[in-house]
Amino acid sequence: DAGITQSPRHKVTETGTPVTLRCHQTENHRYMYWYRQDPGHGLRLIHYSYGVKDTDKGEVSDGYSVSRSKTEDFLLTLESATSSQTSVYFCAAGVVGEGNQPQHFGDGTRLSIL
Amino acid sequence: TQLLKQSPQFLSIQEGENLTVYCNSSSVFSSLQWYRQEPGEGPVLLVTVVTGGEVKKLKRLTFQFGDARKDSSLHITAAQPGDTGLYLCAGGSNTGKLIFGQGTTLQVKP
Repeated sequence: DAGITQSPRHKVTETGTPVTLRCHQTENHRYMYWYRQDPGHGLRLIHYSYGVKDTDKGEVSDGYSVSRSKTEDFLLTLESATSSQTSVYFCAAGVVGEGNQPQHFGDGTRLSIL
Repeated sequence: TQLLKQSPQFLSIQEGENLTVYCNSSSVFSSLQWYRQEPGEGPVLLVTVVTGGEVKKLKRLTFQFGDARKDSSLHITAAQPGDTGLYLCAGGSNTGKLIFGQGTTLQVKP
């Protein structure tokens, strides 16, 4: 158990409002990730971080921003939520080495944009 | 763009049957991981394979990484209802990113 905690676990909000999801880890992993999971798409990477203040885009980064001011915390922000961002969001943290990148996941945040 | 295709997407079988899930790509990956996910929870890592041709066994589950490191398979022997869940494969690279397949939903009926 890599101690990944996501908050909130559920959120309902309206189109156009800003939303911030939080991810906290207790294992001091350097790499952290945000994914969204939608039916038929598996998990798609939004953004990831390879260190404090070091972040990069994933395959579906439009409309999302991230910040990592401390090793243990990784925030995902939807600046102006849209209905297409209704999804289940997962945070992960992991060890990245030569050809070996196991990731440990939180239990997800179910976000509904009305 | 690296893509991983999983097949089948859905599988419903009776307890005691065997099954195989496939994960295929045209890209080479440095590692291939398999996860299992239950409703309302995050994926849990089952295994990581890193060497072409590698075979790993986890009780009734057998994982294989293709010789060219482009594909992988998960074989379950004598499936049980407790095996029910979503199985995800993910390919890794040295960039630190994982590419996930769409997932295979397995239902094992008693």
